[in-house]
Amino acid sequence: NAGVTQTPKFRILKIGQSMTLQCAQDMNHNYMYWYRQDPGMGLKLIYYSVGAGITDKGEVPNGYNVSRSTTEDFPLRLELAAPSQTSVYFCASSYSTSHEQYFGPGTRLTVT
Amino acid sequence: DAKTTQPPSMDCAEGRAANLPCNHSTISGNEYVYWYRQIHSQGPQYIIHGLKNNETNEMASLIITEDRKSSTLILPHATLRDTAVYYCIVRVPTSGTYKYIFGTGTRLKVLA
Repeated sequence: NAGVTQTPKFRILKIGQSMTLQCAQDMNHNYMYWYRQDPGMGLKLIYYSVGAGITDKGEVPNGYNVSRSTTEDFPLRLELAAPSQTSVYFCASSYSTSHEQYFGPGTRLTVT
Repeated sequence: DAKTTQPPSMDCAEGRAANLPCNHSTISGNEYVYWYRQIHSQGPQYIIHGLKNNETNEMASLIITEDRKSSTLILPHATLRDTAVYYCIVRVPTSGTYKYIFGTGTRLKVLA
């Protein structure tokens, strides 16, 4: 099992550009999550999904969109990138709500 | 709306027990305490979780006070590879699932 994979590892965007952060898991987990981590801080939940076709907002969803067309993939879309979106983005998945979350290696995004 | 408070940093001698405290005085009766760690800005790694009883696994022990307002993560024989940021997390219910509320973590440095 590869676990949770994320691409790209690093990206620099100009203000106003858009991009999609990719996340995939091969553990057949229904639950998937996107977090962002600002320097020196804990992670904050952006969006989550409880299964294919179902997504919902977390604590900090503004400026982002997600989709979940398959169990395996959970891409995060940034429209009109802003400097405030400079952060490290982590994707995670879990088998159920009572199981631990498995995290990917992260995507480091800089918006200038 | 942070639910946990941790000391920002701690040192521990290699081979000794590392005791990491966490205050969660506003925790509700059905909210679990989870511990994760993050090594070198990698994705967080699950350690242990509990509700009200003390828990132990191959990595660590979790001691929760009777009033559930605080807990302590114990790494019984710390090694250099345990140097990481340790997050005490409260898992709270949200629509359809649960979400993690991360604090700012404790940076543990294990000294040779």
